[in-house]
Amino acid sequence: GQNIDQPTEMTATEGAIVQINCTYQTSGFNGLFWYQQHAGEAPTFLSYNVLDGLEEKGRFSSFLSRSKGYSYLLLKELQMKDSASYLCAVRDQFTNAGNNRKLIWGLGTSLAVNP
Amino acid sequence: KAGVTQTPRYLIKTRGQQVTLSCSPISGHRSVSWYQQTPGQGLQFLFEYFSETQRNKGNFPGRFSGRQFSNSRSEMNVSTLELGDSALYLCASSLSAALNNEQFFGPGTRLTVL
Repeated sequence: GQNIDQPTEMTATEGAIVQINCTYQTSGFNGLFWYQQHAGEAPTFLSYNVLDGLEEKGRFSSFLSRSKGYSYLLLKELQMKDSASYLCAVRDQFTNAGNNRKLIWGLGTSLAVNP
Repeated sequence: KAGVTQTPRYLIKTRGQQVTLSCSPISGHRSVSWYQQTPGQGLQFLFEYFSETQRNKGNFPGRFSGRQFSNSRSEMNVSTLELGDSALYLCASSLSAALNNEQFFGPGTRLTVL
């Protein structure tokens, strides 16, 4: 089956570093996305990984290991505004039928940043 | 550049009714995807349209349907509403259907079925 697992909730302190893990089991793989969603708002794009390794973008970094079906989002120098839900999504395998290339979403990790 | 817009933002319906939601993508974006978001199930993919053609469909019953117009605007329709259809319906647009294209989400339509 297709499954994406993320921790439900995490708590961290302002100024600290937090790592949000995502493991996936899908029939194929064509990239992994991380999105941020503040309460009552729409998700916004953070990062995209398709090759193994670390992608750094300012305070946010995302890592991918395809062999392990594993990714993490690293948030540095946490700020109060980083309190949000972080969604991991995997684009499934493209097939000749044009199916199964949709994004499979995790339930999200709710991060609370405390002062 | 204006973002993705969705109308209406909030909707209250009763069981058995039908509803039509609208989405206007970012100018120049040709791919539109629809999602249902609930606390327990997270984001569930409904369907994706590109150039007026449905390219992908999720595992939802036939009561859920959609279409895309020549100007890339999209609508989704839910017929014979059930209580379980209460959710946030999100529309997302992307420049193309390329695999690495990020999706830009609209603010969503909050549907409540009584």
